[in-house]
Amino acid sequence: AAGVIQSPRHLIKEKRETATLKCYPIPRHDTVYWYQQGPGQDPQFLISFYEKMQSDKGSIPDRFSAQQFSDYHSELNMSSLELGDSALYFCASSSITRTGGGETQYFGPGTRLLVL
Amino acid sequence: DQQVKQNSPSLSVQEGRISILNCDYTNSMFDYFLWYKKYPAEGPTFLISISSIKDKNEDGRFTVFLNKSAKHLSLHIVPSQPGDSAVYFCAASTSNTGKLIFGQGTTLQVKP
Repeated sequence: AAGVIQSPRHLIKEKRETATLKCYPIPRHDTVYWYQQGPGQDPQFLISFYEKMQSDKGSIPDRFSAQQFSDYHSELNMSSLELGDSALYFCASSSITRTGGGETQYFGPGTRLLVL
Repeated sequence: DQQVKQNSPSLSVQEGRISILNCDYTNSMFDYFLWYKKYPAEGPTFLISISSIKDKNEDGRFTVFLNKSAKHLSLHIVPSQPGDSAVYFCAASTSNTGKLIFGQGTTLQVKP
């Protein structure tokens, strides 16, 4: 079965540079979530999109922005990178159910960002 | 403020025995709970979930129990296998946002 695809898998940037992370959700999934996992920490929610509209926002710095495109893929843009931005960035996708109950999020392999 | 807590950073069990991983939460608005398994440098892999309208969900060797009054859930793995060795995250969400709130994770080691 197709899974969530993230690219690149690894990225090395200098301070103050910009980075763009891409996420391709599972086919027919309409919702994308972005999470950041620092070393030794649990994943923290950044932002989510449903049907190409931002649906929720977490602890995402103003230096970061994201969008979901017409083909449902999403991009996380990070500017003025800081050392503290070094982390694993996960994208997850889901299909919101209309019958109540929860939605299961399926995660991609992540992008490991290292800021030097 | 950690809304989802996994108080045991690590657990070691013998192959073939039961592994019990615990998770506590504070937000009574959570109505969907999930367990993920994670290897280093990989994304979390979905294992099993439970809705707040149930108290038990079973899938093969994995069973999740939910005690809403105690705001506690647990994952039982029976029998445990060496391949189960990984970090296990408990996560919770509310139906109005969907975003997942994760616990700190428990590292499970299953010894042959």
